[in-house]
Amino acid sequence: DAEITQSPRHKITETGRQVTLACHQTWNHNNMFWYRQDLGHGLRLIHYSYGVQDTNKGEVSDGYSVSRSNTEDLPLTLESAASSQTSVYFCASRGTSSGTDTQYFGPGTRLTVL
Amino acid sequence: QKEVEQDPGPLSVPEGAIVSLNCTYSNSAFQYFMWYRQYSRKGPELLMYTYSSGNKEDGRFTAQVDKSSKYISLFIRDSQPSDSATYLCAIYTGGFKTIFGAGTRLFVKA
Repeated sequence: DAEITQSPRHKITETGRQVTLACHQTWNHNNMFWYRQDLGHGLRLIHYSYGVQDTNKGEVSDGYSVSRSNTEDLPLTLESAASSQTSVYFCASRGTSSGTDTQYFGPGTRLTVL
Repeated sequence: QKEVEQDPGPLSVPEGAIVSLNCTYSNSAFQYFMWYRQYSRKGPELLMYTYSSGNKEDGRFTAQVDKSSKYISLFIRDSQPSDSATYLCAIYTGGFKTIFGAGTRLFVKA
């Protein structure tokens, strides 16, 4: 079965370190997204990609970057981790299922920045 | 003003109760509305979608859109403990982008 996976599931790091969160999908979807989820804010879009070599900034992109070298993967990099980036991060991919435009989410990565 | 507003709850109900979850939105041009369910420590999953106004039913779940009031609702009949989760309303805004409500935490007590 097709799926979307994220790694690591949990990460603790220190302020100022570079961190990369992995996202891999086997749906063969062109559209992929990174969100962060914080209490009271719901899901906020960080970056998104419509296909290989395409990346775009979302509403909370400062301090984050992504690259898309193939269809399956969209790694998220925190250039210099800050305590404000402590959050749960979700990767998603989007396709069409039964006529709907459904986003499929990964299980999430819980990141703590000390 | 946020584009989508949702009461975070928590909402606690006894098993068998009818649950009503609601969101309001600001842009009258929005037409494609969704509800996602998120279990603890899991990613959200699509529960239902509706296009434009009206009701859509799927088993014990009914999604309702009132475009005149810019109000969307999810009703759960005969609620079960397994329905305990966070429910997020979502609106597709075009350009492959979706905005999400903050989510309402629901607890169904056995």
